[in-house]
Amino acid sequence: AQSVAQPEDQVNVAEGNPLTVKCTYSVSGNPYLFWYVQYPNRGLQFLLKYITGDNLVKGSYGFEAEFNKSQTSFHLKKPSALVSDSALYFCAVRSQNSGNTPLVFGKGTRLSVIA
Amino acid sequence: GAGVSQTPSNKVTEKGKYVELRCDPISGHTALYWYRQSLGQGPEFLIYFQGTGAADDSGLPNDRFFAVRPEGSVSTLKIQRTERGDSAVYLCASSLNYGNEQFFGPGTRLTVL
Repeated sequence: AQSVAQPEDQVNVAEGNPLTVKCTYSVSGNPYLFWYVQYPNRGLQFLLKYITGDNLVKGSYGFEAEFNKSQTSFHLKKPSALVSDSALYFCAVRSQNSGNTPLVFGKGTRLSVIA
Repeated sequence: GAGVSQTPSNKVTEKGKYVELRCDPISGHTALYWYRQSLGQGPEFLIYFQGTGAADDSGLPNDRFFAVRPEGSVSTLKIQRTERGDSAVYLCASSLNYGNEQFFGPGTRLTVL
């Protein structure tokens, strides 16, 4: 079975500081990994994805994520946080090796960037 | 271009009633997905369509839930004999093909009194 763990319900960071939102996953075979962001009263917005190749993936709004196969992690990072980055962030995974399996989401991490 | 749209944005109904939730995907997207998001949780997969057919409905919680996509574009999620536990935000997403990144609509907030 596929699963995603986002161990932190809430992450607080000062504006201008680097931020990390953690994600670990469990999947059969190789993973497809995604990060989405949800702003209040808005749908989820795609940030970035890992399919294959370079372990460091760059996405929208200056975000990046690093795929670490040995640690089964895909942490989201940004070098310098903005107040406007405050939102709910979801990590998601599905297997590359099990046909058309559904995307499985984590519970989400609320990021609060303080001015 | 236009994104995924969902109507209504909010729906309040009474226990036992029937509801329909509509999703308009991005034009040209062949894959369409329905999810349910409860408070404090991530989206939970319900069903996905490839074209007109339901390719995977393993996430539907029981036979009170049903979805259609008769012309391969607009989809309707139908819930019969609603229960209070059905209260959640129902999200629709579409993608160019299965496996590509999914684009989500704003959701329909369903409240069953």
